[in-house]
Amino acid sequence: AQKITQTQPGMFVQEKEAVTLDCTYDTSDQSYGLFWYKQPSSGEMIFLIYQGSYDEQNATEGRYSLNFQKARKSANLVISASQLGDSAMYFCAMWPVTGGTSYGKLTFGQGTILTVHP
Amino acid sequence: NAGVTQTPKFRVLKTGQSMTLLCAQDMNHEYMYWYRQDPGMGLRLIHYSVGEGTTAKGEVPDGYNVSRLKKQNFLLGLESAAPSQTSVYFCASSYDSTGWDETQYFGPGTRLLVL
Repeated sequence: AQKITQTQPGMFVQEKEAVTLDCTYDTSDQSYGLFWYKQPSSGEMIFLIYQGSYDEQNATEGRYSLNFQKARKSANLVISASQLGDSAMYFCAMWPVTGGTSYGKLTFGQGTILTVHP
Repeated sequence: NAGVTQTPKFRVLKTGQSMTLLCAQDMNHEYMYWYRQDPGMGLRLIHYSVGEGTTAKGEVPDGYNVSRLKKQNFLLGLESAAPSQTSVYFCASSYDSTGWDETQYFGPGTRLLVL
């Protein structure tokens, strides 16, 4: 079974500063994918970034980057130059890239609420 | 291209009533999923489908049934609603799970309140 842990229930950051949201995972699978989703107050789930376990380089998407440390089983999200619109709940998720009944099923962490102050 | 849509957006039920939530996607995705989100928790998978006519149980399937009669639609049914099923329900879809970068795209969610 997979498990995602997000230990920061809430985080605060000043506008234009960078912030790191922590995510650790536990899995016995050799191959897996890691995702970050953003959920604003309006409720929708917005895909931000993806990292495959086989990727040697950290994934980046605009102001988002994923600090992937495979040996430590961590996949932290870094948001650079925070904006007021970044205030939201952020979820880390993973799935095993293997066959079997767990195929394609995302396991989510409990989320971190990010508040960006002006 | 509407992506993933869900109906209704909000519903109030009395205990014991039944209802069906509809999810539709126009991206020709093979895989579809139903999740529930409860306060203070991440999303938990209820049921999923790997293709038209197929369904499978997820992490929390009890009290729910699903059907995938058409590739673009995935229905979630509550036969006898219970207060414990008060939640926000999300539908998601993805092309297939055989690739390395199969992002799941989510619908806007359905808020269900069971009294």
